[in-house]
Amino acid sequence: GAVVSQHPSWVICKSGTSVKIECRSLDFQATTMFWYRQFPKQSLMLMATSNEGSKATYEQGVEKDKFLINHASLTLSTLTVTSAHPEDSSFYICSARPRGPLTDTQYFGPGTRLTVL
Amino acid sequence: DAKTTQPTSMDCAEGRAANLPCNHSTISGNEYVYWYRQIHSQGPQYIIHGLKNNETNEMASLIITEDRKSSTLILPHATLRDTAVYYCIVRVGRSGNTPLVFGKGTRLSVIA
Repeated sequence: GAVVSQHPSWVICKSGTSVKIECRSLDFQATTMFWYRQFPKQSLMLMATSNEGSKATYEQGVEKDKFLINHASLTLSTLTVTSAHPEDSSFYICSARPRGPLTDTQYFGPGTRLTVL
Repeated sequence: DAKTTQPTSMDCAEGRAANLPCNHSTISGNEYVYWYRQIHSQGPQYIIHGLKNNETNEMASLIITEDRKSSTLILPHATLRDTAVYYCIVRVGRSGNTPLVFGKGTRLSVIA
């Protein structure tokens, strides 16, 4: 099946620092990847849509200068949380839509738990 | 995307069938019904999807009513590992860049 990985699985950082989260599709190419975040006891909230080779599309209320997304290849997208603050502490999850015959579904990574002190 | 309505929570005895309902009364003709689940502190896992016919795979069965206004996900023999939040989502199929939009889902607790 289609596998998506994320790295790191968890990270703790100091307020004001930047954190990069990687999302990789391991056995398929993904022209489109999505980034979500999830606060405790809440559902997943879409942050942005990332297309390979083009700028990401951000959802309303998500600061594009704070959450930098780069989709440099068909198997890798990165989310950088710049100048992180405690309110950015959350569970960040990516998903990828494969090219080809499996395009009906999205496959999700295991998530990255960010804690900002 | 059409909105869905699911019960907040359900319990199911281990070994019994778990039937999770979902209402999607405003679904459009080209929208599919997708089911995902999220086990605590993990990413969502794809379960099944369908358009109008009933579907079955190794994980579950999906029963869609004839008018497509509601559906039921069936886990035939629930185990403790099936305890999770189950999300019913409607979305245009083969829609390229359209993301999945998650509601609150149903928290299923499988009890020994």
